[in-house]
Amino acid sequence: QQPVQSPQAVILREGEDAVINCSSSKALYSVHWYRQKHGEAPVFLMILLKGGEQKGHEKISASFNEKKQQSSLYLTASQLSYSGTYFCALYGNNRLAFGKGNQVVVIP
Amino acid sequence: NAGVMQNPRHLVRRRGQEARLRCSPMKGHSHVYWYRQLPEEGLKFMVYLQKENIIDESGMPKERFSAEFPKEGPSILRIQQVVRGDSAAYFCASSPMVGTAKNTDTQYFGPGTRLTVL
Repeated sequence: QQPVQSPQAVILREGEDAVINCSSSKALYSVHWYRQKHGEAPVFLMILLKGGEQKGHEKISASFNEKKQQSSLYLTASQLSYSGTYFCALYGNNRLAFGKGNQVVVIP
Repeated sequence: NAGVMQNPRHLVRRRGQEARLRCSPMKGHSHVYWYRQLPEEGLKFMVYLQKENIIDESGMPKERFSAEFPKEGPSILRIQQVVRGDSAAYFCASSPMVGTAKNTDTQYFGPGTRLTVL
């Protein structure tokens, strides 16, 4: 049940916006988003629940579309600190199944 | 409230030696998960434990790997007779498991142990 993340990599300038996506072939009940910087632990950002609820963390927000079986993460007015790899993860069978990640690089 | 703690942060072993990785969950958390991450890859589930119980070890190789979470003390992931392919970052996560809705339960990750097998 590994989710598929796209695009694989994004390069953007400070202040620009970006959208990264996470999709599943199975019905979604919740989506967990994490950010990992090189050599560090994944840091929990937010969890999206069934019902189309939007959440936010700093200027990072996310949406959950259960019909499309997809979640999108919106990086608004990006800051240098947003650089890292963003993982979405789905819970099932006693585990989080992580996607391969979206690498985000924010340059000055 | 201290976060999830793991030690050692870096571990170097020669082929055939044993590696022992420790994880102390966040205070109040009774559920521990171990994941493995290869370079440029996502995290792969290995094992899920509660105090004194292995709930699900289906992601862990049946040979050479074992895990425990004793009543007292940290959770231990043990790799016997390590091989080069075991080189990876091993992350532990803990969760409080409030209620029974596992899919909404947040897992918090420790800093990881980077195992290098020479």
